[in-house]
Formats: sequence, C-alpha cells, structure tokens
Amino acid sequence: LAKTTQPISMDSYEGQEVNITCSHNNIATNDYITWYQQFPSQGPRFIIQGYKTKVTNEVASLFIPADRKSSTLSLPRVSLSDTAVYYCLVGDGKWRGGGNKLTFGTGTQLKVEL
Amino acid sequence: NAGVTQTPKFRILKIGQSMTLQCTQDMNHNYMYWYRQDPGMGLKLIYYSVGAGITDKGEVPNGYNVSRSTTEDFPLRLELAAPSQTSVYFCATHNEKLFFGSGTQLSVL
Repeated sequence: LAKTTQPISMDSYEGQEVNITCSHNNIATNDYITWYQQFPSQGPRFIIQGYKTKVTNEVASLFIPADRKSSTLSLPRVSLSDTAVYYCLVGDGKWRGGGNKLTFGTGTQLKVEL
Repeated sequence: NAGVTQTPKFRILKIGQSMTLQCTQDMNHNYMYWYRQDPGMGLKLIYYSVGAGITDKGEVPNGYNVSRSTTEDFPLRLELAAPSQTSVYFCATHNEKLFFGSGTQLSVL
C-alpha cells in the first residue's frame, strides 16, 4: 500500500488559492488518488479523484505529475467554510490497485481566516 | 436513498460492557469498512469486508469483531469495552470512492 505524507497544517485567508501537496512515492500502477474533506464530528466526504495529469470539478482541481509520486489539491478562493481536514488517499478508485485495505494518512488541517 | 446509516449516534458504556454498533447501507455496495477516529487524530481502519460472508482485519482490529451476513449490514461488536476504545466510529462503503456514515460517538467510562 502506498503511504502518503501531507503537511500537518496550513493557514490561509479568505479569497486566496490553497494548494495542499501529498507525497506517495510507492504508488502502484493501478492506484487512483482521491482527496476527502472532513469537518468536525462528520465523516469524510469525497472531493476529487484522479489518475494522472489534471482533473477539475466544481470545487477543486487535482494536479498529478507524470511520475505520479505526488499530487496537489488546489482549492480556489477559499472561504471560512473550507476550514477542515483534508486527506489524500491512494489505492482508491475503480481498479482498487491498492487492494482492499484503504488506510488514511494523518491529513492536513486547513484553517481559513478573514 | 439513505446511503450509509449508523446507529446509535452516541453511547456511553461502562468498562467491561459489550455493545454492537450498527451500520446499514442501501447502495448495494460490496465493500464496507469500519474506521475509528480518536480526538484530533486521523482515521484508523478496524475491519473491512469485500462482500457478504467475507471480512478481514485492518490496522487496529484488537478488541473488535465483525460479521457480514448480508450486503446491507456490517455490524461492529465490542465485547469487553475499555477506555482506550473511546472514539468516534465511522462506517463506510466503497464503489470507486468511499461513502461515510455520520458516525457513532462512543465513550467508555
């Protein structure tokens, strides 16, 4: 299973773009990369998923370089409501390249201030 | 669709008591997971199941048991509750991505 490494915490201000990078040096060929967001007292919820290059949806973008050993979640123009913990998960996705044992890293606590 | 439903939402146990945390889903997903999350920490995988009748241990299975008799239900059993099991427990299903329930907050005193 690919182990993931993320910064423990990040601070930002409203309206700024936030980029959170996740390292996953031993990612397997079939592994997808998925990012989840978790608010206090709630279960994590899906943000975005990708395999390579760039993926964009209505809330975020995901950048994955050619070697796929890292990925960057980009949140445009954050607001106070984006204050949450963000987890990078490798091995998710339809091919389940990481197997069935889906384990999380420590996550990144993002704090957005006025 | 209700998605993933966990009951109860809150529970206080005394040391040595037992209880079952219920998890049911209506999405017909084969893969189901149990995680625990201690205050200020990340999620730890307890057990998972790839389908009815098949379960396997995760990172922290000691003190817990699971069963999977149907696709819909994946209960988590605590036989002899200990203070170290005070945590928030999340059940999830998986179909290309994880779908989480709202959690059960358990305190063992």
